[in-house]
Amino acid sequence: KNQVEQSPQSLIILEGKNCTLQCNYTVSPFSNLRWYKQDTGRGPVSLTIMTFSENTKSNGRYTATLDADTKQSSLHITASQLSDSASYICVVSVPVRSNNNDMRFGAGTRLTVKP
Amino acid sequence: GAVVSQHPSRVICKSGTSVKIECRSLDFQATTMFWYRQFPKQSLMLMATSNEGSKATYEQGVEKDKFLINHASLTLSTLTVTSAHPEDSSFYICSAPWDSVYYGYTFGSGTRLTVV
Repeated sequence: KNQVEQSPQSLIILEGKNCTLQCNYTVSPFSNLRWYKQDTGRGPVSLTIMTFSENTKSNGRYTATLDADTKQSSLHITASQLSDSASYICVVSVPVRSNNNDMRFGAGTRLTVKP
Repeated sequence: GAVVSQHPSRVICKSGTSVKIECRSLDFQATTMFWYRQFPKQSLMLMATSNEGSKATYEQGVEKDKFLINHASLTLSTLTVTSAHPEDSSFYICSAPWDSVYYGYTFGSGTRLTVV
């Protein structure tokens, strides 16, 4: 079972609407949680990074929340634009030595924004 | 910000040939580079970790003789898919850590490999 579960798998919304993507994880302990945006055929681009002590982080129209007690995170997109169409990936990292990769990737939510 | 340049973005090769994918860190030193593979509608799967000046570490199930990784300098890591087969067709992405505080990672733009 994947340690990072995202929902929904896909989502279609109209331009200008808001939406919220969910990420539930079982990774414990964890050092940080990141949300990435991945356009089709491109590499992921970081949107937000939160440590376990942070419960919200904003980046423009993107706002991520984190509840470390319930192991849930959400990514809220406000006033969606056509360019927001992409996959949004939740990544949870465990504490390791610097430069060691121990990221757990969610499968992503595919968002489509329609005019 | 930290940038990893990945080339080529797309490549089509014949079965049995080899393909080299390069990832360069442009404005920082990447002592470590992670190589991922991504199938359509699936998440990134770690294939191997390369460290400058030493042998790469491969994840279970990844053939090290098929996916050759070289990390000869602090700014360049390469992945060579040898004797490619159609089942090797996939999206390959590299990533390097650049932020020691948040363990920030920057990803390359990916390489779409199609083996015909």
